[in-house]
Amino acid sequence: GQNIDQPTEMTATEGAIVQINCTYQTSGFNGLFWYQQHAGEAPTFLSYNVLDGLEEKGRFSSFLSRSKGYSYLLLKELQMKDSASYLCAVMDSNYQLIWGAGTKLIIKP
Amino acid sequence: NAGVTQTPKFRVLKTGQSMTLLCAQDMNHEYMYWYRQDPGMGLRLIHYSVGEGTTAKGEVPDGYNVSRLKKQNFLLGLESAAPSQTSVYFCASSQPGGTGTDTQYFGPGTRLTVL
Repeated sequence: GQNIDQPTEMTATEGAIVQINCTYQTSGFNGLFWYQQHAGEAPTFLSYNVLDGLEEKGRFSSFLSRSKGYSYLLLKELQMKDSASYLCAVMDSNYQLIWGAGTKLIIKP
Repeated sequence: NAGVTQTPKFRVLKTGQSMTLLCAQDMNHEYMYWYRQDPGMGLRLIHYSVGEGTTAKGEVPDGYNVSRLKKQNFLLGLESAAPSQTSVYFCASSQPGGTGTDTQYFGPGTRLTVL
């Protein structure tokens, strides 16, 4: 079966750095997405990786290793507004997204 | 641009009642999707459409029907609601690019409770 694993919850301090991991086992691979979802709101797109390596976008970076079935989202200079759930999703061989359950990130002052 | 909009935002139904959720997008996207989101679980695909007049089943289609009569609209119907259909429903749309960069854009969600 297809499976996306990510930690349920993480806590970090304002101004610090946090890394959210995602491991996956899917039938085929056509890219990995990270979305941010604030409580009670819709998911919003953060990043897309299809090749191995690091993609940097401001304070957020996403890394992919296809051979290991592994990705991480790195958030730097954490702000209180970064408190949200972070969703990892993989596009499978049918070009459908398989979603992880999400990681709830709590930022403390 | 409004992006993706959903109607209604909240709804409470009694078991056995029917309802239709409406999704509209103004980005001229070909693909549209209906998901449900439950606590502790990832988004699960109910039905999707790859173009006007087409629909296909996703991971959890039972108890739901859909229609895509116009490119900009995607309707989700519940014929006979059950408590197990209590959930948050999200609509999304995307434009296929042929390279997998089919970023999905989401509506604000409909919070449905079935008593």
